[in-house]
Amino acid sequence: DAGVTQSPTHLIKTRGQHVTLRCSPISGHKSVSWYQQVLGQGPQFIFQYYEKEERGRGNFPDRFSARQFPNYSSELNVNALLLGDSALYLCASSLSVGNSPLHFGNGTRLTVT
Amino acid sequence: RKEVEQDPGPFNVPEGATVAFNCTYSNSASQSFFWYRQDCRKEPKLLMSVYSSGNEDGRFTAQLNRASQYISLLIRDSKLSDSATYLCVVLNTGGFKTIFGAGTRLFVKA
Repeated sequence: DAGVTQSPTHLIKTRGQHVTLRCSPISGHKSVSWYQQVLGQGPQFIFQYYEKEERGRGNFPDRFSARQFPNYSSELNVNALLLGDSALYLCASSLSVGNSPLHFGNGTRLTVT
Repeated sequence: RKEVEQDPGPFNVPEGATVAFNCTYSNSASQSFFWYRQDCRKEPKLLMSVYSSGNEDGRFTAQLNRASQYISLLIRDSKLSDSATYLCVVLNTGGFKTIFGAGTRLFVKA
C-alpha cells in the first residue's frame, strides 16, 4: 500500500510569491494534518482536517491556508512568502483523530529567496 | 513557556547503555501522548504510544505522570541504530492539535 505522498519534493520560491503544497493520505485515512519543521526544531502544527473540515489550527498567520478534498487529499497554500517560511513542510494522515497514530510523508522542502 | 519541553540533549552514550529522556507538558487537559523517532533528514515515525499505566515495547519503556505532567522514555541496551532524534508528542483540544517537542538528539557510539 502506498504511504503518504507529498509533492513537490523540493521547491524554490521568491519572497512575495505564492506556493501550493499537495498531500495524498494513506488509503482509508480521513484526517490530514500539516506541520512546518525548521532545522533543529520539532514539527510545528499548522492545520488539521478531518472529514473535509478544518478541526484545528496552529499559531500561523492568515497567509497560511489549507483545504481537504472529497478524496481526502489536501493542499496547503502559503501567500506572500517570507524568507522565514523556508522550512520542511510535513503532511501526516491518520485514520481518525485522537489516539490514531500519525503517518508522515517525506515532506516538501521549501526555500524562499 | 513552551507547551511541550524536552531535554535539550544531545545525549552521547556507548552501545549497551541505558538512557532516559524526559518531556514535560503545560496543558493539564492534554489527552494523548506519544514518542516519535526522526532520523536525519527523514520524516518522523511513531515509536510508541504512552499509556497511563506505562508500557513497554522490547527495549523501550514509556511512562506517563499526569500529576506532574511529564512523560519519559527509557531505552535499554542501546544500539547504534537507536541514534536519532526522539520527539515527544502531545494531543490537545479534543485530539485536534498535535504539539511536538523540539526533540532530543541521541548518539550511540561503538
